[in-house]
Amino acid sequence: GNSVTQMEGPVTLSEEAFLTINCTYTATGYPSLFWYVQYPGEGLQLLLKATKADDKGSNKGFEATYRKETTSFHLEKGSVQVSDSAVYFCAAGSFQKLVFGTGTRLLVSP
Amino acid sequence: NAGVTQTPKFQVLKTGQSMTLQCAQDMNHEYMSWYRQDPGMGLRLIHYSVGAGITDQGEVPNGYNVSRSTTEDFPLRLLSAAPSQTSVYFCASSFDRGRGYTFGSGTRLTVV
Repeated sequence: GNSVTQMEGPVTLSEEAFLTINCTYTATGYPSLFWYVQYPGEGLQLLLKATKADDKGSNKGFEATYRKETTSFHLEKGSVQVSDSAVYFCAAGSFQKLVFGTGTRLLVSP
Repeated sequence: NAGVTQTPKFQVLKTGQSMTLQCAQDMNHEYMSWYRQDPGMGLRLIHYSVGAGITDQGEVPNGYNVSRSTTEDFPLRLLSAAPSQTSVYFCASSFDRGRGYTFGSGTRLTVV
């Protein structure tokens, strides 16, 4: 079956620093790839997605590129803000099921 | 447009009790899923459905039942609650796999 591996956190950054959260996947076929964000006490919100190789998903300054050759979908942001503090989940979907990584907590200090 | 609505938001059960977690969506989505979220384990799929009358098991189905009599509703039943089922439960729906899932706000369940 599919699986997703994310870097462990927490990731602690100062405001305006560059962010990378690594995500790799194993899957049969060609899954769609997603990043979700979860703020404290809330459900998951879709942050960005990519449905095929070399696609770049982007939203709110975050980007991730579907790399089939390295089976990766790393999340990046050029300049983080305090409001970006949350837990980020990478996920891979094939057909009707979505498999999640364990999540990476991001803490951004002023 | 309410999206995905889960009730209740919080629940405490005694071991052996049964209950139903409700989930409803108003987006006419065919795909619906139930996940549980536990610290350090991410989200794990319990059951899912690809349309009314069609359900299947996910990664951790034991102790849970589902049914899908309508497109809108996808209730999750705990048959005999156990402390190991203490978790946060999320319902999600999607139009298709390429568009991603919309999640409800979750039900925090404690079994004592």
